[in-house]
Order: sequence, then C-alpha cells, then structure tokens
Amino acid sequence: DGGITQSPKYLFRKEGQNVTLSCEQNLNHDAMYWYRQDPGQGLRLIYYSQIVNDFQKGDIAEGYSVSREKKESFPLTVTSAQKNPTAFYLCASSIRGPGRAFFGQGTRLTVV
Amino acid sequence: KNEVEQSPQNLTAQEGEFITINCSYSVGISALHWLQQHPGGGIVSLFMLSSGKKKHGRLIATINIQEKHSSLHITASHPRDSAVYICAVRDQETSGSRLTFGEGTQLTVNP
Repeated sequence: DGGITQSPKYLFRKEGQNVTLSCEQNLNHDAMYWYRQDPGQGLRLIYYSQIVNDFQKGDIAEGYSVSREKKESFPLTVTSAQKNPTAFYLCASSIRGPGRAFFGQGTRLTVV
Repeated sequence: KNEVEQSPQNLTAQEGEFITINCSYSVGISALHWLQQHPGGGIVSLFMLSSGKKKHGRLIATINIQEKHSSLHITASHPRDSAVYICAVRDQETSGSRLTFGEGTQLTVNP
C-alpha cells in the first residue's frame, strides 16, 4: 500500500539532546513537509523540500534541521537549540504544484 | 490577522444534525483543502477544491472564490464524525505546494 510513515509515534528525550524524527513515503512524491502542531494552534511549517538534495525553511525553522538525500525520506532533527521542542510533529508529502497532500500519523515528542 | 480563519472553533451537535464549518481566507489561492484530524493525531485529506462543490458520502464541501470562503457540511451527523476539521489553502503566489492552515474546528457529535 502506498503511504507515508512516521516513526516513532511517541518519543521521549532529555533536555539538551538532539533527536531525529523519521518520515518515509512510497508515493513517489517530490515534495515533503514537516509541520509542528501545538495545543490550540494550527499546523505551522518547519521545513519543506520540493526535490532531492534541496530544502527550504518554513515559518518556524529555528532549532530544527532536515536532510533530503533520498526522494522517499525526509528526516527532521530537533536540536538542543529548539527552545520548546515538546509538540506533535506531522510529516506530509505531495506532488509538486497543486495536488492532494498526504499526511503521516504524527510523532508526539516530549522533552523532559 | 491569520490568512486562514475558521469558525466556529468548537461545535457540539446531536446525532443526526446538519453541521456547517466555515473557512475564510485572505489571499489568492490555487486550491483549498479540508482535512480531518482524529484524536490520535493522524490527518486525512477529505477534499481538495479550486471551485464549485464536491460531495463524498455525507460530506459536502463548497467554495466561493470571489468571496474567499469555503464551507464543509456534514449531513446526518454521527458520533464517529467527532474530530478536528482543518481548512488549508495553497497560496497562488507561493512557489511549490506550501499550505497555510486554519486553527481547526473541534466537532463533537453526541449520541
């Protein structure tokens, strides 16, 4: 089945540690996105990539880093520089240009 | 002012009621999406609209490009419809496929 997979579903980390969230898709989509969702707020764009080996900062990129070495994969690293990392993180993919977006199931990150 | 505004923020209905969720946006768009987010967090795309009206089962989505407004209707609502409904738009001016999201409408349908 085609789809987009995020792992893990729940993640706990100690303050000051970097952590990497996985996002894989087998939909042959060029574009991939990372969003952050906080309680009572809409989804906010962290980073996006429209093609392999290229990515752009979204609205809240500070404290995050990404890579796009393969079309299928777009991992997000939450660095120790991110001041408030506890949140729900959603990965999405789509074709380039207008098209339906597909979302992963999300990763809930808790930093203690 | 947010580019995408939804109303109401919270909506409680009795099973069987007709439900309407509204979305207004302030930019020119190439497409508008309605999404459904269940308590576990996963998001499902319900509709993508650029004009007119679409129907899928008990769900109907309409868009008025001139008025920059879209509505999502649920007929004969059921408790399993309880979820957060999110409106998202693709800005005409933005390169690529970036979406801007509304804050969501929490719908609760009671039996």
